Amino acid sequence: DAGVTQSPTHLIKTRGQQVTLRCSPKSGHDTVSWYQQALGQGPQFIFQYYEEEERQRGNFPDRFSGHQFPNYSSELNVNALLLGDSALYLCASSKGPRTGRNQPQHFGDGTRLSIL
Amino acid sequence: DAKTTQPPSMDCAEGRAANLPCNHSTISGNEYVYWYRQIHSQGPQYIIHGLKNNETNEMASLIITEDRKSSTLILPHATLRDTAVYYCIITGNQFYFGTGTSLTVIP
Repeated sequence: DAGVTQSPTHLIKTRGQQVTLRCSPKSGHDTVSWYQQALGQGPQFIFQYYEEEERQRGNFPDRFSGHQFPNYSSELNVNALLLGDSALYLCASSKGPRTGRNQPQHFGDGTRLSIL
Repeated sequence: DAKTTQPPSMDCAEGRAANLPCNHSTISGNEYVYWYRQIHSQGPQYIIHGLKNNETNEMASLIITEDRKSSTLILPHATLRDTAVYYCIITGNQFYFGTGTSLTVIP
């Protein structure tokens, strides 16, 4: 039973570029959430996708956007990259949108994004 | 969502029980207490969660006080592989991670 998988594992970009990160949820899960984790900090919630729609959003600018596909996989897009966007980007999946109730999220190992 | 307070770091001798505290005084009646841990360069790993009652699984035990304002995660026999950052999370509609407790298991 495959867990949450993310690609790529590492990525280097320069300021102003655009990036797309990908996530495949755990088998049986239909909800995907994205987090940003800066060095030495806890993960910060970006947004959540369920039924191909953004359901909740954290305090991130609209340079951060996403998409969910019919097979429940998801992409995170970041435009006009800034140095401060350097971080570990984590994807988590769960069953149903009411994450945080009696429903654990399962995390992938993330994509390490470095901005030069 | 309710916020949590955890000590920034703790040490524990290998083979002994590790007791990690968490304060969550603003927790609401329908919010769950979750614990995750993160080993360097990996994604957070789910450990355990609960609402009111104490919970136990193969990894750990969770003790929640009667007023639900604090909880303790217990790793009964800590090993070197338990060295990690442990996050206590109170959930409403989102998972809010604080800075967690860095647990070091000492040989």
